[in-house]
Amino acid sequence: SQTIHQWPATLVQPVGSPLSLECTVEGTSNPNLYWYRQAAGRGLQLLFYSVGIGQISSEVPQNLSASRPQDRQFILSSKKLLLSDSGFYLCAWSVAGPQYFGPGTRLLVL
Amino acid sequence: GIQVEQSPPDLILQEGANSTLRCNFSDSVNNLQWFHQNPWGQLINLFYIPSGTKQNGRLSATTVATERYSLLYISSSQTTDSGVYFCAKTSGSRLTFGEGTQLTVNP
Repeated sequence: SQTIHQWPATLVQPVGSPLSLECTVEGTSNPNLYWYRQAAGRGLQLLFYSVGIGQISSEVPQNLSASRPQDRQFILSSKKLLLSDSGFYLCAWSVAGPQYFGPGTRLLVL
Repeated sequence: GIQVEQSPPDLILQEGANSTLRCNFSDSVNNLQWFHQNPWGQLINLFYIPSGTKQNGRLSATTVATERYSLLYISSSQTTDSGVYFCAKTSGSRLTFGEGTQLTVNP
């Protein structure tokens, strides 16, 4: 069966510091991969998605970037965090069907 | 404009009650998903339903794509049903989420 992992689970970072969040998927090949952010309140916003290695589409211009160095690995990065980057970051995968979400990373930027 | 609209935004029930959550979407969709976000933040897949009706235990969902809405029914609610329920429409490979319904089930 397929599983999706995210780490770290929680992160507290100072403003201006770099960021690297990692997501890996097991049990499937060539998945579509997604990064979402859930800020204060409820809505989830799609940040990036990828249909293959090295292929990244950005939905919202911002302080973040994404990379897909391997088929089942998706990384969310920032060179300098802003206060507004705080939130709950969720990775998801799909293969021609529903999207399935990881456990998320809670990021607090102080 | 708003592409996915959920109602009600908040719902408080007594254990054992039934409820209906609604999701309206503003344009055509390839598919529609319902999720439950538990208190730990995990998004749990409930239904993947482009049209028609599906049932899973005490939960069922109906999507009427031609009229651009979907309904989630929760019967005999339990305290463990508490959390936020999201619908999300699929267009291509993108999911667009509604703002969710916060459900609280009191014992």
